[in-house]
Amino acid sequence: DTEVTQTPKHLVMGMTNKKSLKCEQHMGHRAMYWYKQKAKKPPELMFVYSYEKLSINESVPSRFSPECPNSSLLNLHLHALQPEDSALYLCASSQEGATLSEKLFFGSGTQLSVL
Amino acid sequence: EDKVVQSPLSLVVHEGDTVTLNCSYEVTNFRSLLWYKQEKKAPTFLFMLTSSGIEKKSGRLSSILDKKELFSILNITATQTGDSAIYLCAVGLNYGGATNKLIFGTGTLLAVQP
Repeated sequence: DTEVTQTPKHLVMGMTNKKSLKCEQHMGHRAMYWYKQKAKKPPELMFVYSYEKLSINESVPSRFSPECPNSSLLNLHLHALQPEDSALYLCASSQEGATLSEKLFFGSGTQLSVL
Repeated sequence: EDKVVQSPLSLVVHEGDTVTLNCSYEVTNFRSLLWYKQEKKAPTFLFMLTSSGIEKKSGRLSSILDKKELFSILNITATQTGDSAIYLCAVGLNYGGATNKLIFGTGTLLAVQP
């Protein structure tokens, strides 16, 4: 069982909708990540938060807006998405600054469909 | 541009077979190489390798890294249908300070038939 919880598991939204994806972990990890995975493709990094501060933004369009309210929570706010944004959105966390910090723990993802 | 390439892209074997999955990389600021198994949604961690030539083993799975030739292999012996999954190789990059990022390979889809 994953210790990273993502909600909702599935989301269908129109191009004019505003929605949010949520991610929560209680492992005391101080780094959290958003990845996007299209079908039959590897996960692609979107954002990295380190100690609740945005440390990496992989040139993601502004219609995706991340937020890290505290060390356990990570949100991804969605607005005016396009059909090509349909994908599995994976959240992950890791121990920042420790030897095993590349060891990411992934949530089960949110399967997003944009109509 | 940082690149991680896996081969084969897909593989079909029968239960009991041994398989070898390959991962090669060309990156700057290499820090580590990791293997993940993705069955449905969440990739689950298998191994992290940082030193050349030291085999890591977990049950029927083992992995080794060659930092000179820039590749890693993942071996699965006596395969079972439960091993059917996508196997992802990822390279950890030192992005500056304590921050790091993972670059994932294309994945190998393994199907184990009864």
